[in-house]
Amino acid sequence: DAGVTQSPTHLIKTRGQHVTLRCSPISGHKSVSWYQQVLGQGPQFIFQYYEKEERGRGNFPDRFSARQFPNYSSELNVNALLLGDSALYLCASSFSGMNTEAFFGQGTRLTVV
Amino acid sequence: GESVGLHLPTLSVQEGDNSIINCAYSNSASDYFIWYKQESGKGPQFIIDIRSNMDKRQGQRVTVLLNKTVKHLSLQIAATQPGDSAVYFCAENQNAGGTSYGKLTFGQGTILTVHP
Repeated sequence: DAGVTQSPTHLIKTRGQHVTLRCSPISGHKSVSWYQQVLGQGPQFIFQYYEKEERGRGNFPDRFSARQFPNYSSELNVNALLLGDSALYLCASSFSGMNTEAFFGQGTRLTVV
Repeated sequence: GESVGLHLPTLSVQEGDNSIINCAYSNSASDYFIWYKQESGKGPQFIIDIRSNMDKRQGQRVTVLLNKTVKHLSLQIAATQPGDSAVYFCAENQNAGGTSYGKLTFGQGTILTVHP
């Protein structure tokens, strides 16, 4: 079985641009969560989607948005990129909305220049 | 406030030794915990989890201990191998027992280095 897959793996963007990151959860998983991990720190929660509805939002500005599609895949969008948005963006999938046994993808490394 | 922290940022052991990685959490409402292993350039890898109604759970070469009295979590790795070298994170979930959602709050991480 395929694990959580994220695309692209690496991305370089310029300040002010927008970016779309994609995530496909493990087959059968209905919950997708997004995390931001800056170098030297643990992942920080951005969003959780379950059954195509937003279930939770972390302390991130409105420039960050996400959605979940009928096939449970998800997109994370970030507008008006800042240098500080450079990070590893991680997607985690779980069968339940309670995020037990959450499995992560390999992440998308975003660099903003 | 919510926080999950680690006592030791780095841990160096010899191959074959047992490793113990510690984690303190501050939110007594947390009811579910996960340990993750993260290798350089990769996403966190699920190792083992434990619910707050348990004190101990064992996996393959790993054991997680939960002490709710002092809000402390530990990961024990038996016969540590060079391939165990990585950053280890504990994460707490405050809503696993409810019906809302599951936000994982991560600690800062412990770097485990295993010397051959």
